[in-house]
Parts: sequence; structure tokens; C-alpha cells
Amino acid sequence: DIVLTQSPDSLPVSLGERAIIKCKSSQSVLSSSNNKNSLAWFQHKPGQPPKLLIFWASTRESGVPDRFSGSGSGTDFTLTISNLQAEDVAVYYCHQYNTIPPSFGQGTKLDI
Amino acid sequence: QVHLQESGPGLVKPSQTLSLTCTVSGGSISSYDSYWSWIRQQPGKGLEWIGNIYYIGTTSYNPSLKGRVTISVDASKSQFSLSLISVTAADTAVYYCARNTSGRGWFDPWGQGILVTVSS
Repeated sequence: DIVLTQSPDSLPVSLGERAIIKCKSSQSVLSSSNNKNSLAWFQHKPGQPPKLLIFWASTRESGVPDRFSGSGSGTDFTLTISNLQAEDVAVYYCHQYNTIPPSFGQGTKLDI
Repeated sequence: QVHLQESGPGLVKPSQTLSLTCTVSGGSISSYDSYWSWIRQQPGKGLEWIGNIYYIGTTSYNPSLKGRVTISVDASKSQFSLSLISVTAADTAVYYCARNTSGRGWFDPWGQGILVTVSS
């Protein structure tokens, strides 16, 4: 099974600043079928289902502000949130969908 | 736009069976490229994929729960269901249903989630 490890577990930030969240995979999540990294990022707020932000490691979901960006390849990935807004307070999860069982990182809590 | 909604009891006694249903609307549960999953989040923990089902009944389960989990589908009702036997307090969680599509893989959309507490 692929284990995803996020860092840090908690990230205190200030409004307008930039937050960087890292996700390291125990194995490569590069898909052999399309040569894309099968890595997504979700934003999770209390009482709501997780919201898809990024897929294929760097493709922003429709409607997601361009303050959110994803990068990385193979086993190391990064979610960057620029110009932090109050509504960005949430837990962020990386998720690999390259192999069964699909798995999630342990989450990074963003505090403003 | 596909919408998913979980339903079922919010309280289950230890050793009994947890049963939940997810109703799919706004799209076909029999879509050739859709897989229907159950995912849970235990208190204070991350997200755990439980398993999925294809509309013809083909299933895949997380080995961590295999043996206790059964996922079934009723395409005529546009529903799929989760059954988890011999529950303990460790199975207390918010349970989500979600869709992923072949060729893409990530979960979207998700249901709102339902809290199930295992307690006597």
C-alpha cells in the first residue's frame, strides 16, 4: 500500500502570506498509462465533504482560485496557497489514486 | 450534476452491523466509467478508503477492513450500500460516499457525510 506523509501537521500562517504543504509518497504515483502523477489535493472544512482543489498533481479544478497551485512529481509533491484568505482555514489532504487501495495523507491543519 | 446522499442509523451497538445507503441523483449509477466508493474519517484521524463497487456488482475492498465489509448496489433504486459487521468503538466515524471515474481516479463528488457512533 502507498503511504502518504504530509508535512507539517499544523501550519500557523497570517492573512496575505503564503503556505506551503508537502506530501511525500512511499512509492512513485506516476501513472504508466498516461505518464501523469496520480496525486490530488483536497480542502476539508468541518461539517463539509472534502473539496477537490488539484488533480494530476498540478491541474486546478474548475472554480478553484488561482491562489492554489500544485507541483511535484514521482514521490514528492507540494501544495502552495498564496495570499492566504480567512476562508482558507481548513485541513488539507493529499490523495493518491494510482494504486489500489487509494490513500490519503494524514492531513495538514492550516491556522490563521 | 451528480449528487450523493448518505442515509442510515447514526447509532449502532457494538458487535452489531453498520448499514448505510448512498443515493445517487443527477446522473446514472450505471454510468460505464463510474465507480462508487465508501470512505470514512474516524475522530481525529485522516481519511480511509473502505471500498468501491461498479454498477454490475464488481467490488474492491481495502485489505484493512476486508472480511468485515460488503458493498452492494441496487441500480434500479440508484443506490449503493455499505455493510460493516462486528463493529467496535473504533468504527465510529463520519462515513462518506463518493464517486470516481475511470481514467481520472480522484474522488468527486462526495456526499455530505454521516456520523455513525458505535456505542451501547
